[in-house]
Amino acid sequence: GAVVSQHPSWVICKSGTSVKIECRSLDFQATTMFWYRQFPKQSLMLMATSNEGSKATYEQGVEKDKFLINHASLTLSTLTVTSAHPEDSSFYICSARGYYEQYFGPGTRLTVT
Amino acid sequence: SQQGEEDPQALSIQEGENATMNCSYKTSINNLLWYRQNSGRGLVHLILIRSKEREKHSGRLRVTLDTSKKSSSLLITASRAADTASYFCATAPPGGNKLTFGTGTQLKVEL
Repeated sequence: GAVVSQHPSWVICKSGTSVKIECRSLDFQATTMFWYRQFPKQSLMLMATSNEGSKATYEQGVEKDKFLINHASLTLSTLTVTSAHPEDSSFYICSARGYYEQYFGPGTRLTVT
Repeated sequence: SQQGEEDPQALSIQEGENATMNCSYKTSINNLLWYRQNSGRGLVHLILIRSKEREKHSGRLRVTLDTSKKSSSLLITASRAADTASYFCATAPPGGNKLTFGTGTQLKVEL
């Protein structure tokens, strides 16, 4: 089946620094990718829809200047958490839309100290 | 919020028993999907049921959909310890591709 990878799988950073998370579709091209955030024992909340070659569409309440999304190619989308704070600590999951369904990455655990 | 509700929030059963999880949603849908998530991992797609379908089977999984009640259920038969995970339903709206996830059910299957 289709595979989506994320890198890194986990990252620890200090407050005020920026962190970039990559999401790649390994064996298919994805014009649309999605970024989700998940707090412990909670559901996935959609943050933004990433469209190749155009600006991302952010969900209500998500700060676009804080969570920068770049979908530079048909197989790569990146999420940069800028000036990270402890409240940004979370599990970030991307998904890529294939022909029939969405395929999810394994997630990235971000811890901001 | 468009997020659906799932119940129970947590379910603990013995290996070999059946597990039933329910999902309710709020708006019209095109498809409803069920996913499994092991702790700290990504989502695994289990089964998709279209709005015109009422029941679907896949191995030990049985999914039902009642669009009049805006609800779905996932039945796992003859559960195994390896089925221990969180289970989420997600809905896709007509003409759209954004998935809205339910609140999830944490299933624990004990030996």
